[in-house]
Parts: sequence; structure tokens; C-alpha cells
Amino acid sequence: EDQVTQSPEALRLQEGESSSLNCSYTVSGLRGLFWYRQDPGKGPEFLFTLYSAGEEKEKERLKATLTKKESFLHITAPKPEDSATYLCAVQATGNTPLVFGKGTRLSVIA
Amino acid sequence: DAGVIQSPRHEVTEMGQEVTLRCKPISGHDYLFWYRQTMMQGLELLVYFNNKAVMDDSGMPKDRFSAKMPNASFSTLKIQPSEPRDSAVYFCASSHGRTPGYYGYTFGSGTRLTVV
Repeated sequence: EDQVTQSPEALRLQEGESSSLNCSYTVSGLRGLFWYRQDPGKGPEFLFTLYSAGEEKEKERLKATLTKKESFLHITAPKPEDSATYLCAVQATGNTPLVFGKGTRLSVIA
Repeated sequence: DAGVIQSPRHEVTEMGQEVTLRCKPISGHDYLFWYRQTMMQGLELLVYFNNKAVMDDSGMPKDRFSAKMPNASFSTLKIQPSEPRDSAVYFCASSHGRTPGYYGYTFGSGTRLTVV
């Protein structure tokens, strides 16, 4: 069974304090790993897709990396507007639907 | 495109009542997914469709839940009878092709269901 575990559950940062979120996964064969951002009262919003170990994607203050067992979402010099829940999901090589982790709630304090 | 549209945004109902959630996917998307989100379980897949046909509904309690997609632009998720444990946020998502690829799934804003 495909599984995704995210840590920490919650993270509180000061503005400008860089950190990383972790996504560990178990999947029969990885088709893709996805990161989403979810704001309160809204649906998840797509950020990145990573396909193979060693791949990196960047968007503004966010950088996602992938190894054979986990992915990291690095947040550099975060701002209060980066506060949200960040979700990680995997798709197996059988092209089954995305399996999501429970997310990391990030709070950035000014 | 207006994105994935769900209605209603909020629903409060009494235990035992029937509830119908609605979803309009993005035009041209051939896959539609219903997920349920709770604090304890996170996002769980209930059912998904490809070209209006149910592909997998193993995540759905079939004694009380039913999902339909009568045409390419409309889907419903019905709960009858509803129970307090069904209280959650229900999301509809759509994608073009089984592999979400560069754009991922597009989610709606969700329906927050409270069963009292």
C-alpha cells in the first residue's frame, strides 16, 4: 500500500528564518511526487511535480528536492504570506490516483 | 476557465438526512476525483471517474454513499442516510489524463459538511 508521511505536523517560523519540510514515501514504483499548498477554507493548489531522484524545482522562496525515499520542501527567508498547509502526494507507476500525506501546517510570524 | 466548481460551500444537516454534493470539473478534463479531508485522516480518495465511468470506488462506504457522473460537466456525491462521522470537507478535483503531469490535479474549494 502506498503511504506518505509528512513531518513536522506543524512548524512555526520567524520571518526570514529558513527551514525544510519533509515528505517520506513508500510506493511500489514512483511515477511522480507532488507538492501542494492549501490555504484555510480553500482547496489544495498545485506547486511542483518531481519525477526522479536528484530532481529539483524552484518557485520564489520554495525549492523542492527528491530522493528515492523522501522529498524536502525548502523555504528560504519565508514571509507571513507563506503561511499555509503544505501537502505532499505520490502517484505510483500504475498511474493510480494521488495518495496524500496529512500535511505540514506552516506559520510564519512577522 | 472558472476552475472546478463545487456546491454548496457549506452544508449543515441532521443525522439521517440525505445530502447531495455537486461538482463541475474543468472543461476538457477527463478524470474526476472525490476526496474527503479530516484532521485525523487527511485527504482520502473516495471515488474517481474516467470519461464518466467509475474507475474505483473502493474508498467509499457503499451502503450510504453513491457517486454519479451523468455527463462530462457534472458529478454528484450523495450520502443517504448521513451520520455525524461523515462530517468533513469534501473536495472534487479534475485532471486531463491519468498522469497529472506538469499541472497536477485542479481542486475545487470544497464543501464543508456538518452532520448533527
